[in-house]
Amino acid sequence: DTEVTQTPKHLVMGMTNKKSLKCEQHMGHRAMYWYKQKAKKPPELMFVYSYEKLSINESVPSRFSPECPNSSLLNLHLHALQPEDSALYLCASSQVGGWGRSRRELFFGEGSRLTVL
Amino acid sequence: GEDVEQSLFLSVREGDSSVINCTYTDSSSTYLYWYKQEPGAGLQLLTYIFSNMDMKQDQRLTVLLNKKDKHLSLRIADTQTGDSAIYFCAETPGGKLIFGQGTELSVKP
Repeated sequence: DTEVTQTPKHLVMGMTNKKSLKCEQHMGHRAMYWYKQKAKKPPELMFVYSYEKLSINESVPSRFSPECPNSSLLNLHLHALQPEDSALYLCASSQVGGWGRSRRELFFGEGSRLTVL
Repeated sequence: GEDVEQSLFLSVREGDSSVINCTYTDSSSTYLYWYKQEPGAGLQLLTYIFSNMDMKQDQRLTVLLNKKDKHLSLRIADTQTGDSAIYFCAETPGGKLIFGQGTELSVKP
């Protein structure tokens, strides 16, 4: 199983709503990532979890709150978002290892397309 | 900081070769990557090159690396309509995977 599964595929929410994006993998990967991608732009790194602990936060606003409840699951909790937060949110997973020592392949999900009204 | 640069668009005819270029910024990246993103989909690792190599061939794909100029290229031989997608190069500064701007490849029959 080399799949990363993201739900929901599409989400429309108002600026006062609270919602969550979910990501699941069963490849035994201990590193998981959230990326944000605007149309026709490259994915931008948001968060990295390594062994279920947050290791990188790319100065993401607090209205985005990540959670890694176990080694297979990654959530992104959304609250009080702005219309400019509308984007494709991509989850990825990989083996843990120093980038300098090993080739680290990220496996991406198909993304959750978020629209904030 | 500096961006990883790629041309935004490339259009080729089916059967021709495609060459997608990338200028990266991090000279310490041990591996450099090419990812492919089809419409409405996530990213898929296409190929990679170790930084002490200057060329890698993988079936229809050839990766060339010029470390002096921080230039990476991806050549797709016998390009097919199914190769139409956005192609991202990526480097790994400081434990992160950072993507270039992406090149949209359009293959015309």
